[in-house]
Amino acid sequence: EPEVTQTPSHQVTQMGQEVILRCVPISNHLYFYWYRQILGQKVEFLVSFYNNEISEKSEIFDDQFSVERPDGSNFTLKIRSTKLEDSAMYFCASRGDRGIMNTEAFFGQGTRLTVV
Amino acid sequence: ILNVEQSPQSLHVQEGDSTNFTCSFPSSNFYALHWYRWETAKSPEALFVMTLNGDEKKKGRISATLNTKEGYSYLYIKGSQPEDSATYLCACDNYGQNFVFGPGTRLSVLP
Repeated sequence: EPEVTQTPSHQVTQMGQEVILRCVPISNHLYFYWYRQILGQKVEFLVSFYNNEISEKSEIFDDQFSVERPDGSNFTLKIRSTKLEDSAMYFCASRGDRGIMNTEAFFGQGTRLTVV
Repeated sequence: ILNVEQSPQSLHVQEGDSTNFTCSFPSSNFYALHWYRWETAKSPEALFVMTLNGDEKKKGRISATLNTKEGYSYLYIKGSQPEDSATYLCACDNYGQNFVFGPGTRLSVLP
């Protein structure tokens, strides 16, 4: 069964460093998302991406964050100048090979980011 | 701001018990509701996508209902098994742009 894959599974980084979280969505999907869950809190939306551009972003997704689909298969989340409060599980998701109505989103296993 | 709540926060049942939990959401501007099952160290797994008021969907021993007029959905598990132990998440679909998740219900099924 097709799946969304994320790498790395764990990432430890020093405060102030840049990290890139990588995702390979399901190949014929058109809509891509990043979510995160800070420990003990709800899963929260960061950004959605369609047709090679951001279609929606949350208040969390400020200038520190950026997304890219550099080669038609990978979908990356870059976090510049990481802060302690960026520590969270980051999930990538994809959906919709022909549209999104009534379709489920497929999630990766997540990347646990720890900023020290 | 769209707010999705779930109850209870956690639940412990004996193997063989049936159980249910609730997801509540704003009834205005409803588009779709998703249920996910999330086991530790695994990807959240889609269970149901529910769109119509009165919808009832079933997958094996798990079923879900939807009431969009009053803003709630129930998830039922019949004859719980230890492998049903997981966190069950509901999420409101914001017209495809994003999901707004509830906090989840953590289910533990004791053998």
